[in-house]
Amino acid sequence: DAMVIQNPRYQVTQFGKPVTLSCSQTLNHNVMYWYQQKSSQAPKLLFHYYDKDFNNEADTPDNFQSRRPNTSFCFLDIRSPGLGDAAMYLCATSQNKFLSRLAGEGDTQYFGPGTRLTVL
Amino acid sequence: TQLLEQSPQFLSIQEGENLTVYCNSSSVFSSLQWYRQEPGEGPVLLVTVVTGGEVKKLKRLTFQFGDARKDSSLHITAAQPGDTGLYLCAGTYRFYNQGGKLIFGQGTELSVKP
Repeated sequence: DAMVIQNPRYQVTQFGKPVTLSCSQTLNHNVMYWYQQKSSQAPKLLFHYYDKDFNNEADTPDNFQSRRPNTSFCFLDIRSPGLGDAAMYLCATSQNKFLSRLAGEGDTQYFGPGTRLTVL
Repeated sequence: TQLLEQSPQFLSIQEGENLTVYCNSSSVFSSLQWYRQEPGEGPVLLVTVVTGGEVKKLKRLTFQFGDARKDSSLHITAAQPGDTGLYLCAGTYRFYNQGGKLIFGQGTELSVKP
């Protein structure tokens, strides 16, 4: 059974045309992450939500935004896609407890299947 | 800055051979994950190691976490073509109260030829 679901799996957009990618989870995890992965590279963290708190990485371009309307869903908005934004976008989740000393297994991130974005 | 050095980056072997992939860092991680990723798919979790010195086995795969929780290895015995893929190690750097950030190694592209 799918636990982290991403839609669509493939997205084609035009240069400069806004696009939204979606992620949903059935794990009830409190943390959701968005990564960008380019060919033959490791995933690069864009931002994450800890519950409703948004945490942006310092080098994430302003062109990338995110929304988390509830625990289960998270969206990645690319306001004006450029050719360099063509990539695989990965959503991940984890369950972390505030001030928990029981780290380790609880930090494990579970990834969705990804959305391949093509920019024409 | 936390870094995780993964080696080798490319590995092409024959079916039946053994191999080991290494991940090394100067940083201590609260946990370390190993993932396998196939083309066009997201990373699939293989294992999480938490305790220094921990060894976990998953069929023909053996994972080890260093005593100081700074390094890890993945050993595959009698590799099969189905093992082909990108293997990623990722250490968790834990924020105070905002979850954990994964520090990825560069990945190992494994090709197992029949």
